[in-house]
Amino acid sequence: DFRLTQSPSSLSASVGDTVTITCRASQDISSFLDWFQHKPGRLPKLLIYGASTLQSGVPPRFSGSGSGTNFTLTISTLQPEDVATYYCQAHNNIFGPGATVDIK
Amino acid sequence: VQLVESGGGSEKPGGSLRLSCVASGFTFRNAWMSWVRQAPGKGPEWVGRIKNKIDGGTTEYAAPVKGRFTISRDDSKNMLYLQMNSLKIEDTALYFCTTNLGGPPSWGQGTLVTVSS
Repeated sequence: DFRLTQSPSSLSASVGDTVTITCRASQDISSFLDWFQHKPGRLPKLLIYGASTLQSGVPPRFSGSGSGTNFTLTISTLQPEDVATYYCQAHNNIFGPGATVDIK
Repeated sequence: VQLVESGGGSEKPGGSLRLSCVASGFTFRNAWMSWVRQAPGKGPEWVGRIKNKIDGGTTEYAAPVKGRFTISRDDSKNMLYLQMNSLKIEDTALYFCTTNLGGPPSWGQGTLVTVSS
């Protein structure tokens, strides 16, 4: 069965830090991976599609990289409003388990 | 691209509901289509997908719904369906139809399913 794993599952960082979340696929999915931000009580917000393309309107401190089985979401200069859970999703397939980011 | 879901409502545990999604703005018959749901207080969860006919038209489902939910499509009507049987309380969620067409993924606005006794 296809699987997506994310690490770390949660992290705490200071405002202004750079945060990196990793998503690993159990098989090669090329660049068919998107990243979503989810805040409680809200619908998921698309951040990155196609592994590395920034969705329109998303702050450029968010970036994505990777292909094949290893992908990374980077938040540079972490802001208080970035407190959320971040999910990767393979196209037309499962979401990862999520990575929760909060502020120290 | 527009995706519009309908068919949500309230149902008792063990009951059935059929969700529909009408698609426009793209060549529906060529698209793989998925259903995604979001339960109250939870993150998004992929429910399942159906491939286009060229790629076999096959379906795949997430473990929590396998054997209870069935995805189908009618390419002549640009329609996607989700037949939900043996509903459980934990199926309560906002259900979205989604697709990836090479750019950002497209989501509908969702239809709410509530399962309660």
